[in-house]
Amino acid sequence: NAGVTQTPKFQVLKTGQSMTLQCAQDMNHEYMSWYRQDPGMGLRLIHYSVGAGITDQGEVPNGYNVSRSTTEDFPLRLLSAAPSQTSVYFCASGWAMDTIYFGEGSWLTVV
Amino acid sequence: AQKITQTQPGMFVQEKEAVTLDCTYDTSDQSYGLFWYKQPSSGEMIFLIYQGSYDEQNATEGRYSLNFQKARKSANLVISASQLGDSAMYFCAMCILTGGGNKLTFGTGTQLKVEL
Repeated sequence: NAGVTQTPKFQVLKTGQSMTLQCAQDMNHEYMSWYRQDPGMGLRLIHYSVGAGITDQGEVPNGYNVSRSTTEDFPLRLLSAAPSQTSVYFCASGWAMDTIYFGEGSWLTVV
Repeated sequence: AQKITQTQPGMFVQEKEAVTLDCTYDTSDQSYGLFWYKQPSSGEMIFLIYQGSYDEQNATEGRYSLNFQKARKSANLVISASQLGDSAMYFCAMCILTGGGNKLTFGTGTQLKVEL
C-alpha cells in the first residue's frame, strides 16, 4: 500500500461523538477518496476529491464530511457517530484511472 | 450507473492448479478501467491487476492475468499455479474518471480457498 497512511487503525466511539479519520499520501496524487466496507459487501464510495479545494459526494455520503486543503491530506469527519457507521474505512489515492492505491484501513466501532 | 457482478461467493482450488474468478460489469461509459484487488484476512486491499477499456491485449502481472472480453462485458481473473498464500477475498472493481476524480465501483467479492 505504497504511501497511503491512515490513522487511527482502530477506534471505538460512543453514539453522538464526533471524530476524524486521517489520510495522508506522499505520492503527489491528485485523486483521493474514502470508501467504507461492510460485512458481505464490497467497498462503497463515500466522498472523493480531484485536488485541493475540490470534493464531491459518492454513493453513501450522509453523516460524513470532507475537505481537502492540501494535496497530501484528505480527512474524513464523522459529525455525530451512529451505530450504522460501524465499518471498515479505506482511503485511496491515485493519478488517473490506472493507479489507485489503498491505505491499510481503519476499523471503527460505534456503540 | 456502473455495476459489478461477482457470482461466485466462494471458490476452492487445489494448490498448483489454475483458477478463474468471474466478473461481469455494466456501464454506458466508453472509457473505464477494471481492477482486481486481493484482501487477505488482515484486511488490507492489495492491487493485483488493471485493464483499460481501450487496451487490446489482456493484462498480465506475474501469475495473474485478466481475461477481458469487452463484448461480453466480462473481466475474469485467472490465477495460475495457485499457492496457499492466495487464499483471500478477491474483489473486482470498475473505475470511471469523472470531473471530480476517479470513482471505483466494487463487486461483492469471491472468497478463494487454496487447499493442499
